[in-house]
Amino acid sequence: QKEVEQDPGPLSVPEGAIVSLNCTYSNSAFQYFMWYRQYSRKGPELLMYTYSSGNKEDGRFTAQVDKSSKYISLFIRDSQPSDSATYLCAMSEDDYKLSFGAGTTVTVRA
Amino acid sequence: GAGVSQSPSNKVTEKGKDVELRCDPISGHTALYWYRQSLGQGLEFLIYFQGNSAPDKSGLPSDRFSAERTGGSVSTLTIQRTQQEDSAVYLCASSTGHGNPQYFGPGTRLLVL
Repeated sequence: QKEVEQDPGPLSVPEGAIVSLNCTYSNSAFQYFMWYRQYSRKGPELLMYTYSSGNKEDGRFTAQVDKSSKYISLFIRDSQPSDSATYLCAMSEDDYKLSFGAGTTVTVRA
Repeated sequence: GAGVSQSPSNKVTEKGKDVELRCDPISGHTALYWYRQSLGQGLEFLIYFQGNSAPDKSGLPSDRFSAERTGGSVSTLTIQRTQQEDSAVYLCASSTGHGNPQYFGPGTRLLVL
């Protein structure tokens, strides 16, 4: 079993819909949690960065961390075609060695 | 400001040859990281530098892989006697240190024939 599990999708939604992404993990020592967006043939771009449990909102993006359930989520409101990408969750015990999920491919249909 | 840069963007080499991949971190970032992204394995940690020291090399897959960092800035990842299974995208990231997020470069796509 992988340390971080993420459904690879693909996920297809109409423009304006809410995109819901999630990851589960097994290592209870993880305390830093991130979401990255990766466009084809590009490097990962940091979207959200949270420490420990709780919610964080930035524009159309909301990240949630539930350490008791070992579950993290990313919500994208009012999705746009430009949000079409692969979304990677990542997490770390001590913020230098990141463990990544497999990535979820999202397509937002115009 | 300028982000993390990597060179070359693409590298095609023959099995058995050595390759060097370069990473220029964001100016002022003291920490530098190398990862590898392949279809079967996803994104995997290779090595971490704090300044010019590498406290964690645990992700390097074999002794054919080595990395160095000089002047607290540029880093080079060297793969000796390349094998076909080394074909992947090699990503570099940098950060201002503990407790701060990592920012990635565009990667070097390595193809070993």
